[in-house]
Amino acid sequence: AQSVTQLGSHVSVSEGALVLLRCNYSSSVPPYLFWYVQYPNQGLQLLLKYTTGATLVKGINGFEAEFKKSETSFHLTKPSAHMSDAAEYFCAVSEVKAAGNKLTFGGGTRVLVKP
Amino acid sequence: DTAVSQTPKYLVTQMGNDKSIKCEQNLGHDTMYWYKQDSKKFLKIMFSYNNKELIINETVPNRFSPKSPDKAHLNLHINSLELGDSAVYFCASSGTRTGESPLHFGNGTRLTVT
Repeated sequence: AQSVTQLGSHVSVSEGALVLLRCNYSSSVPPYLFWYVQYPNQGLQLLLKYTTGATLVKGINGFEAEFKKSETSFHLTKPSAHMSDAAEYFCAVSEVKAAGNKLTFGGGTRVLVKP
Repeated sequence: DTAVSQTPKYLVTQMGNDKSIKCEQNLGHDTMYWYKQDSKKFLKIMFSYNNKELIINETVPNRFSPKSPDKAHLNLHINSLELGDSAVYFCASSGTRTGESPLHFGNGTRLTVT
């Protein structure tokens, strides 16, 4: 079974500082990887995804992530944090069974942005 | 125009009751899901349907019964509610059942069992 580990359940950054959220996964096959963001009392929204091809993927709101196969990592970064980035972030890996797609999530990282 | 909509947004009920949550998507997707998010924000898949056919059932108690009348709707009925059922339930859809297709989530239904 696949699994996802997000290092740090809480991250605090100053406005304008780098945001770095760490994600490591385990998978016996080439993975499909995703980052989702959840704002309070809302559903999850796709930030970006890696399927194949270029290992550095860009997403919405200035976020990007790099797939590193050798490190089994898919860390999320944003060069300059904005107050609106305060939210919960989830890394996920797709496990494709014969029956269908099952998305396995990490435990989430809550980002707090200080003015 | 909401892509994946769930009703109700909040549901407060007593132990032993039966309740339903409805979900509709207008994205034309073939695959729909129910996920459960517990109090620690951990998300876990419960069910997945593809074109009205159940394709994933993740060891969920049989008190939970999904129903898909058509591929745009996936409802969740819960019998004999227990305290441990309190959580946020998310409906989602994806264009295909393959792994690269991202999920589109509804805004969730917060179920509180007292």
